[in-house]
Amino acid sequence: NAGVTQTPKFQVLKTGQSMTLQCAQDMNHNSMYWYRQDPGMGLRLIYYSASEGTTDKGEVPNGYNVSRLNKREFSLRLESAAPSQTSVYFCASSKTGGPSYEQYFGPGTRLTVT
Amino acid sequence: ILNVEQSPQSLHVQEGDSTNFTCSFPSSNFYALHWYRWETAKSPEALFVMTLNGDEKKKGRISATLNTKEGYSYLYIKGSQPEDSATYLCAFGQGYSTLTFGKGTMLLVSP
Repeated sequence: NAGVTQTPKFQVLKTGQSMTLQCAQDMNHNSMYWYRQDPGMGLRLIYYSASEGTTDKGEVPNGYNVSRLNKREFSLRLESAAPSQTSVYFCASSKTGGPSYEQYFGPGTRLTVT
Repeated sequence: ILNVEQSPQSLHVQEGDSTNFTCSFPSSNFYALHWYRWETAKSPEALFVMTLNGDEKKKGRISATLNTKEGYSYLYIKGSQPEDSATYLCAFGQGYSTLTFGKGTMLLVSP
């Protein structure tokens, strides 16, 4: 099992460009999450999908959109990148929604917006 | 926004020392408390998920306790080894909702 995979690993964008971060899991998990991690901050939730067909905003959703393409895949889109979106992005999944189950994290995508 | 505090921010110990960290969280509407270990250049990995007041969990030399009534959890590492060097994150679940992560405690263990 690959667990949670993310592509790309690194990306540099210019202000105003768009891009989609891809995430897939092979653990048959129902719930998936997107976090960002910035220096001096904890992991902050951007969006999550408790189950296939549903998505909800987290703590810092502005400037992002998500798509739960199917049970395996959950993508994060930046429509018009801004320097404030320079961060490391982690995708995670868990067996179900709610906090009872541990989350499994992908390797992260390091994004720089110039 | 929930307040999940971890202390200390960082810790430097010698190999063989035992150490502990604290995670503080709101005591109302508790659902679950997670601990994760995050090594440099890797992704966070779950250590424990605790859901009941008084829970104690153990994995090798690492153990954790939970007090939901006063809103804190302790993580203990007995006989620290250099390979224990990592950032330790706690995450709090209030009600049937998503997790709120603390900023972590960075542990460095010197040989």
